[in-house]
Amino acid sequence: DAGVTQSPTHLIKTRGQQVTLRCSPKSGHDTVSWYQQALGQGPQFIFQYYEEEERQRGNFPDRFSGHQFPNYSSELNVNALLLGDSALYLCASTAQPLSNTEAFFGQGTRLTVV
Amino acid sequence: AQTVTQSQPEMSVQEAETVTLSCTYDTSESDYYLFWYKQPPSRQMILVIRQEAYKQQNATENRFSVNFQKAAKSFSLKISDSQLGDAAMYFCAYSPYNNNDMRFGAGTRLTVKP
Repeated sequence: DAGVTQSPTHLIKTRGQQVTLRCSPKSGHDTVSWYQQALGQGPQFIFQYYEEEERQRGNFPDRFSGHQFPNYSSELNVNALLLGDSALYLCASTAQPLSNTEAFFGQGTRLTVV
Repeated sequence: AQTVTQSQPEMSVQEAETVTLSCTYDTSESDYYLFWYKQPPSRQMILVIRQEAYKQQNATENRFSVNFQKAAKSFSLKISDSQLGDAAMYFCAYSPYNNNDMRFGAGTRLTVKP
């Protein structure tokens, strides 16, 4: 079982550019959540996708958008990058959008905006 | 809004000794989940232990146990017989009952001294 895989592992972008991060959930999982973890802080919830729709969203601007594909994989897109978007982006998958199932995390994508 | 507070940015423990990490949270919900996650330098968040709020019995997983005080909104993690591999960032997290939008604390960095 490959677990949750994220790509790329590291990325450097210039302010104002756009970026796409990818996540493949653990086998058997259909729900994907994205988190932003700034340096020295805990992860912050961005949004969750289930059945190819955004089910829930945290306090992030519309520059952050996502998508879920029929195979349950997901993308996180960030437009008009700001220096403050530099962070570790974590993807987590669960079997259902319920808290009674364990969330498995990927190793994250380290995004640096210069 | 639900918030999670970890008041100990850093903790240190001697190998084979016991250490307790503190966490408090704020919520108006009666049903929810609480978690402790470990994040080693590999960056992948690993679930250490989970507690359902409706259960009075404290959760235990091998050397890891929690002290859940619902009225006080306190959720501490006790690590017994500490091992070098326990060294990591530890995050306390809260999630409402009907979704897995997790809210994380700022984390506690645990150092284990040989």
